[in-house]
Amino acid sequence: DTAVSQTPKYLVTQMGNDKSIKCEQNLGHDTMYWYKQDSKKFLKIMFSYNNKELIINETVPNRFSPKSPDKAHLNLHINSLELGDSAVYFCASSPRLSRDRGPFGELFFGEGSRLTVL
Amino acid sequence: QKEVEQNSGPLSVPEGAIASLNCTYSDRVSQSFFWYRQYSGKSPELIMSIYSNGDKEDGRFTAQLNKASQYVSLLIRDSQPSDSATYLCAVNSNFGNEKLTFGTGTRLTIIP
Repeated sequence: DTAVSQTPKYLVTQMGNDKSIKCEQNLGHDTMYWYKQDSKKFLKIMFSYNNKELIINETVPNRFSPKSPDKAHLNLHINSLELGDSAVYFCASSPRLSRDRGPFGELFFGEGSRLTVL
Repeated sequence: QKEVEQNSGPLSVPEGAIASLNCTYSDRVSQSFFWYRQYSGKSPELIMSIYSNGDKEDGRFTAQLNKASQYVSLLIRDSQPSDSATYLCAVNSNFGNEKLTFGTGTRLTIIP
């Protein structure tokens, strides 16, 4: 059984289009993320949700809108796609760890969604 | 200055030798440090975590942390061709705020 699954795996589209990527995790984790990995392999956080609540929103253009209908799902919708949006988008999840339970850091990543904007 | 810096490589190491990967970070209050391995076309996976100064060993992997020098490293003993991958250093710079900052990764190639 796949722990963190993303769809679609590949997405090729024209500039100006709107597209969505879906993510689901069956690990029972409270926290989910979207990361963007560019062509130079730099992995940068975009958003983080804990139990459907947005907790991290890095300086991402507002063309990107995450949505978490429940704690097992986190979707990413992108409006008016631009060439620079071409990248691999990774969804990830982690158990929420309080200070009492130790530090945070183990992320479980999905397989990634490779977005190509032409 | 980048928050987490790594040499991008590629780093080539003969099979059976020790591979040494290095990482420096800029935020002095960073608490937690991680090494992720990413095979080409795959997603990152956690291989080591370290939270206090010194060495931590797990099989062929040893993570080393020196907070005074803001330096963390990963040693891979008896390197195998299957170790060929990009290794990403990650740092939790805001304890209590679940945000990991990644370095750009070091591409490691083990030569048979």
